[in-house]
Amino acid sequence: EAQVTQNPRYLITVTGKKLTVTCSQNMNHEYMSWYRQDPGLGLRQIYYSMNVEVTDKGDVPEGYKVSRKEKRNFPLILESPSPNQTSLYFCASSWGTSLGNEQFFGPGTRLTVL
Amino acid sequence: AQKITQTQPGMFVQEKEAVTLDCTYDTSDPSYGLFWYKQPSSGEMIFLIYQGSYDQQNATEGRYSLNFQKARKSANLVISASQLGDSAMYFCAMDRGGGFKTIFGAGTRLFVKA
Repeated sequence: EAQVTQNPRYLITVTGKKLTVTCSQNMNHEYMSWYRQDPGLGLRQIYYSMNVEVTDKGDVPEGYKVSRKEKRNFPLILESPSPNQTSLYFCASSWGTSLGNEQFFGPGTRLTVL
Repeated sequence: AQKITQTQPGMFVQEKEAVTLDCTYDTSDPSYGLFWYKQPSSGEMIFLIYQGSYDQQNATEGRYSLNFQKARKSANLVISASQLGDSAMYFCAMDRGGGFKTIFGAGTRLFVKA
């Protein structure tokens, strides 16, 4: 089944404790992206990747890191989480970067930073 | 600055009636793409419909159609014959910058009444 998977689905952590949210897709998509969803703000793009070893900042990259060492994986790293990073996080992928490619989303990761 | 605006935080519609969800956008790019996604209460993001800036005809996908008015910079979603399962959050989104970056509106929550 074609899908984007994220782990963990739920995470409660404390300020400053490094964490990684994994994202994997099995559709051989070139493009992958991370978003955070907050009430009243919709989804905001954190980072995106056009292909292996090619990443760039979205609109809200502060406090996050990403890497794309393999085409299928795009982990999101929070080196020192803070309470303002409490949010619902989505990973997404699509075939390419030309216009018109809809994104396929993972199920989401709900993160709480205490 | 590029922006997506959804002015209706919440809407009610009677089952079997049509409903229009508003979306206006702002961009200086001549080439862009507009998307609508649905987010049911279960949380996943589901692609509904796409409209390219150069497409001459309005996009349609089953009960979904996109009323694209380029001069007004609007891309409203029309759902015909509403069903109870249409109750969800709906997001308008725009690809920009060659499709690398995506911005989302704040969303409209639709409630379908039996």
